[in-house]
Amino acid sequence: DVKVTQSSRYLVKRTGEKVFLECVQDMDHENMFWYRQDPGLGLRLIYFSYDVKMKEKGDIPEGYSVSREKKERFSLILESASTNQTSMYLCASSPPWVMNTEAFFGQGTRLTVV
Amino acid sequence: DAKTTQPNSMESNEEEPVHLPCNHSTISGTDYIHWYRQLPSQGPEYVIHGLTSNVNNRMASLAIAEDRKSSTLILHRATLRDAAVYYCIPYNAGGTSYGKLTFGQGTILTVHP
Repeated sequence: DVKVTQSSRYLVKRTGEKVFLECVQDMDHENMFWYRQDPGLGLRLIYFSYDVKMKEKGDIPEGYSVSREKKERFSLILESASTNQTSMYLCASSPPWVMNTEAFFGQGTRLTVV
Repeated sequence: DAKTTQPNSMESNEEEPVHLPCNHSTISGTDYIHWYRQLPSQGPEYVIHGLTSNVNNRMASLAIAEDRKSSTLILHRATLRDAAVYYCIPYNAGGTSYGKLTFGQGTILTVHP
C-alpha cells in the first residue's frame, strides 16, 4: 500500500518554539505538498516541492519554511510558532503532474500552539 | 485557477444512489476534473478523474457535461462509509502546476442507515 506517513498525529507546542513537522512517503514520488486545514477555510497549500532541494511557495507560505534533502522526506518548519498556526497539517505526495494521477495524503498532524 | 461551485451538503439513504454535482464553468480546455473525498479524521483520498468522457472505477462514476462546465460524481449504492466531504477539483495537467490541488469547500455527504 502507498503510504504517506506524518511523524505525529497530535502535537502541542509553545508560542515562539521552532516546530518541525515531518512527512515521509514510500512511493518514490517526485512531488510533495504541505497543506493546512481550518474550519471554514478548507485546505490551503503552504509549500510544495517537485524535486529534491526544490521548493515553491503555495498560497499561504508566511511563517513557514520547508526542507527536502531526500526524495522521500519533506519537512515543514515553523520558525517561531504562533497561536494562529494552530491547525491540522496535511502532507501529500504524487508522481509528476504529467502522469495526471492521484495524490496520496497522510493522516494529518493536529498542531496546537499555546 | 478555475473556480468550482458545489452544494454545501447533501443527504442520502444507505443503498441508494447519490449524485454529487459540481459546477466548473471557467475550466480551461486542458484541465482535468478530479474528485477527492475526506472521511472524518482522515486526509483526503482520490476518488476518480476525467477529461471529457464519462469514467467509471470501483469507487464511483464520473459524468462530465458535453460543454465541460459541470460534472457529477455518482455513488451507485451509498454506504455509511461514504459519509465524507467530497471535493471537485479542476486539475491543470500542464504548465507549472506541478500537480497542485486547489480545494474548495466541498460537499458534506451524510448517509442515513
